[in-house]
Amino acid sequence: ETGVTQTPRHLVMGMTNKKSLKCEQHLGHNAMYWYKQSAKKPLELMFVYSLEERVENNSVPSRFSPECPNSSHLFLHLHTLQPEDSALYLCASSQVFGTGMTYEQYFGPGTRLTVT
Amino acid sequence: AQSVSQHNHHVILSEAASLELGCNYSYGGTVNLFWYVQYPGQHLQLLLKYFSGDPLVKGIKGFEAEFIKSNFSFNLRKPSVQWSDTAEYFCAVNGGQGNLIFGKGTKLSVKP
Repeated sequence: ETGVTQTPRHLVMGMTNKKSLKCEQHLGHNAMYWYKQSAKKPLELMFVYSLEERVENNSVPSRFSPECPNSSHLFLHLHTLQPEDSALYLCASSQVFGTGMTYEQYFGPGTRLTVT
Repeated sequence: AQSVSQHNHHVILSEAASLELGCNYSYGGTVNLFWYVQYPGQHLQLLLKYFSGDPLVKGIKGFEAEFIKSNFSFNLRKPSVQWSDTAEYFCAVNGGQGNLIFGKGTKLSVKP
């Protein structure tokens, strides 16, 4: 596998379910990100992990819980979601330097989440 | 707060027409600027990027963009579009935490 992979590609869950999204990067990067892509809205940054430490939690509801066990893997744990959480969830990775600058981010294909 | 504004929500062109998509940003520090493209059903892919140096940058598939610092702009151009350029285009600026801040995107539809 090359680049950034995400599983599952599609997920349908009820509001009382608990599920997890998985992301893996094969690029040797030191930072990983979760974004939410909804129709007619800009990509919304949810979480940033740089060197496996969470750098930013963009006021995301606690029903979303990230986990980054190492620099190659990132999870997004979901519980008691709402229908408005239905969206495409994108994972990305990049190489971040001491200044906080990044060259570019590489994106996975996303998980299409539908909450019923 | 940092932000990116893309002026057009949906642009419809005929093949061979010229393209210019507008992008303005608001960011107080050193900027890195990006254009990403998302073809139907595919990943977001990097089209081109500006870090420093020549403000006219060339990307893949004949696209180019010009960084005009005084205008806080980074417009995307292509002299002659093809049907295969039908996609959604996103402008982005670095957010200072290693993240990127994206505009809302512009859908481009090219009629054959």
